[in-house]
Amino acid sequence: EVNLVQSGVEVKRPGESLRISCKGSGYDFTRYWISWVRQMPGKGLEWMGRIDPSDSYVNYGPSFQGHVTFSTDKSLSIVYLQWSSLRTSDTAMYFCAREGPVAYDSWGQGTLLIVSS
Amino acid sequence: DIQMTQSPSSLSASLGDRVTITCQATEDISNYLNWYQQKPGKVPKLLIYDVSILETGVPSRFSGSGSGTNFTFSISSLQTEDLATYYCQQYYHLPMCSFGQGTTLEI
Repeated sequence: EVNLVQSGVEVKRPGESLRISCKGSGYDFTRYWISWVRQMPGKGLEWMGRIDPSDSYVNYGPSFQGHVTFSTDKSLSIVYLQWSSLRTSDTAMYFCAREGPVAYDSWGQGTLLIVSS
Repeated sequence: DIQMTQSPSSLSASLGDRVTITCQATEDISNYLNWYQQKPGKVPKLLIYDVSILETGVPSRFSGSGSGTNFTFSISSLQTEDLATYYCQQYYHLPMCSFGQGTTLEI
């Protein structure tokens, strides 16, 4: 069974750094891109970008380029989403999702990030 | 960038009703259009891919149609468990993809 498990709730201060994770299991992790999707409180889904776990090639959405970094440790079947300096506006739920042939066919459970002074 | 516009933003309906949601793209996306369901507090779930193909296990009361820039998502007979927000998603211009703003269905 395909499974994506994300790291837990985070509460941070503005300016702090953070890395959250998404661990895949039940399939060949290097064969499928992983996308990150943001959902701000009470809002819709926003595509942040994607990473190819086989070679760490990344694409960032225009709204997120320069503010977040994706990385992977394929030996552990994990992808990471990282911020070097958090803002209050980063408060959101973050989902990782596996890119199947035509759609996101498996999703992580989400990581809630709260950034508050 | 391709923008996706869903309408309505919210919809109130009764059990057994037929419900229809539309999704319009700012340019031709052929059939590269998916629909997801997100129940309150839950993870999005793929319902339909490539406009009209039901994901395995999805009830047949769900359907999709359209092509080019105009797409439709329907529920033939609304059930209590269909309370959710529904999103369209285009993936024509990979690596970029984009979602509609969502339609919240109230029963």
